This record gives sequence, C-alpha cells and structure tokens, in this order.
Amino acid sequence: DQQVKQNSPSLSVQEGRISILNCDYTNSMFDYFLWYKKYPAEGPTFLISISSIKDKNEDGRFTVFLNKSAKHLSLHIVPSQPGDSAVYFCAALTGTASKLTFGTGTRLQVTL
Amino acid sequence: DTGVSQDPRHKITKRGQNVTFRCDPISEHNRLYWYRQTLGQGPEFLTYFQNEAQLEKSRLLSDRFSAERPKGSFSTLEIQRTEQGDSAMYLCASSLGGLGETQYFGPGTRLLVL
Repeated sequence: DQQVKQNSPSLSVQEGRISILNCDYTNSMFDYFLWYKKYPAEGPTFLISISSIKDKNEDGRFTVFLNKSAKHLSLHIVPSQPGDSAVYFCAALTGTASKLTFGTGTRLQVTL
Repeated sequence: DTGVSQDPRHKITKRGQNVTFRCDPISEHNRLYWYRQTLGQGPEFLTYFQNEAQLEKSRLLSDRFSAERPKGSFSTLEIQRTEQGDSAMYLCASSLGGLGETQYFGPGTRLLVL
C-alpha cells in the first residue's frame, strides 16, 4: 500500500511564479516529513523538513506546510527558478522507525 | 568532498552473476541505509545499520541480497545470482541518528542486469 502519495506526476510553472507541490499520507504514525529534490543520475538532495508539532517551516525560497487533520503537506517554492527543475519527493518517518517512506515524486519544470 | 560516496556509479552484468556495491557514509554518521529505486517510483527502503549492527531489513531484501558494515564505517551490498528484476538504482544514505534525523544520500549505483 502506498502510505505516501504524490498524485501529480508533473507540474509546469513559469519562472518567477510560485510552485506548489502536494503530498498526502495515510499513516497517522508519521511524525516527521522531508522533501528531497532529485536530478537525473544523482541521488536525492535534502531540501527541507517539518516535524508534526509544527504546521509551517520556511527556509529561503522553500516553505513546507503541514495539515495533520487532512494528512496533507505541501512544498511552496517562490520565486521558482529554472534550476528548480527536478523531481521532488515527499518522504515520511515515524518516531520509532528509521526508514524513510517516499512518495512517487513530482517532476517540476520551470519554464522561462 | 565530505558527502556520501558510492562505487561503482554504473554496473552492467549478466543474469546469474554476483555484484557488490560499496558505500562510504559521511564520516561522523553512525547510521547507514540502503534504498532501491526503480523507474517511476520513489526510493524503497532495503536495510539499515546502526554502527556495525544491521537493525532492520525489508521484505524486499531476498536471501540473494546481503549487506555488511564490518567496522561501522563503509558498507557493502551484495546481490547474488542477479535477475533482470534487480535492475534499479541502489542508493545509500547516512545520518547521525535520533528522532527526526535527516538522511543524506549518495549519488547511487545504477545496476542493469542483461
């Protein structure tokens, strides 16, 4: 069963606009969430994370929002830049387990 | 470069052959993880080590797969009698450990079984 879901396989956004990537989860035991960016032929690169005790975390152009009641999180990138074009993965952890559970990814294309 | 490194970056082998991959974690990290990623999917957990102890293995890790971390530093992942279904990107990650730990990934080893 897919415990972390990214229902949009792709997203295209104009440079300078906001990119919003969404993620839903089903396991209520998840209490820590991370976003990774992946370029082709490279490993995932950590972007930003959020604990379940918070509803927002911001780091420069990247902000993650968590809605626990809806089991939904989103990553906002503003302003979007061409270098942001990559596949973005949402991942989740439980407090008692060390393994990350990943979604299937969303391919972001930032156009000029 | 003090990030996670993996070797080789690419491996092509024939079905039935054995292959071994190496991962060198970030030096102060005591946890090391192996994941596998196939096309169109996110990485899937295989196994992890706390220092030299292998603490968890996924059901994806069949008896043809074995991982070691003999001195709590680098790790190897061996696949015996490879099958075409083993073709994937094998990713290694490391972390300091603890709640909410961030795992940092290496570049991966892409395996193609012919």
